[in-house]
Amino acid sequence: AQTVTQSQPEMSVQEAETVTLSCTYDTSENNYYLFWYKQPPSRQMILVIRQEAYKQQNATENRFSVNFQKAAKSFSLKISDSQLGDTAMYFCASSNFGNEKLTFGTGTRLTIIP
Amino acid sequence: GAGVSQSPSNKVTEKGKDVELRCDPISGHTALYWYRQSLGQGLEFLIYFQGNSAPDKSGLPSDRFSAERTGGSVSTLTIQRTQQEDSAVYLCASTNGQFYEQYFGPGTRLTVT
Repeated sequence: AQTVTQSQPEMSVQEAETVTLSCTYDTSENNYYLFWYKQPPSRQMILVIRQEAYKQQNATENRFSVNFQKAAKSFSLKISDSQLGDTAMYFCASSNFGNEKLTFGTGTRLTIIP
Repeated sequence: GAGVSQSPSNKVTEKGKDVELRCDPISGHTALYWYRQSLGQGLEFLIYFQGNSAPDKSGLPSDRFSAERTGGSVSTLTIQRTQQEDSAVYLCASTNGQFYEQYFGPGTRLTVT
């Protein structure tokens, strides 16, 4: 079974600063995917970034990047130049190749302070 | 293009009543997922459809919960004899399998009084 752990229930940062959200996971599979999803107050889950476990290169999407440490089973999200619109719940999630259901962490509530 | 839609947006029901929650996936997406988001349990998987069949129902919490999908499109999650612990946001997601990226609907907030 997969487990995903987010140890930071809440974080806050000043606008324009950089923030890193932590995530660790556990799986016995070799092929899996890791995701960060954002959930604003509207409840709509939005994919922020995706990482295939077989890729060594860390994924980046504009201001969002990950630090994927496969041996340590760590998958942190870095948000650069944070904006007010980044305020949301952030969920780390994983899925196994061939079994696409997502296993989620408990989330980190991120607040960007103007 | 249209995203995943869910209806109703909010549902208040009395304990013991049956409810039906609907999900319209993105057109052409073959896989559909139901998740439940509650304060006590976080986000948890309920059931997965590939086409009209459900190869993984492992997350359904009790036999009061059932789901079906017809025409490889719309799915309905039914909760019979609702209990207060069923109060949660029920999220639906669909995917065409590419990169395992799931697209979520806005959810249905169910409140059982």
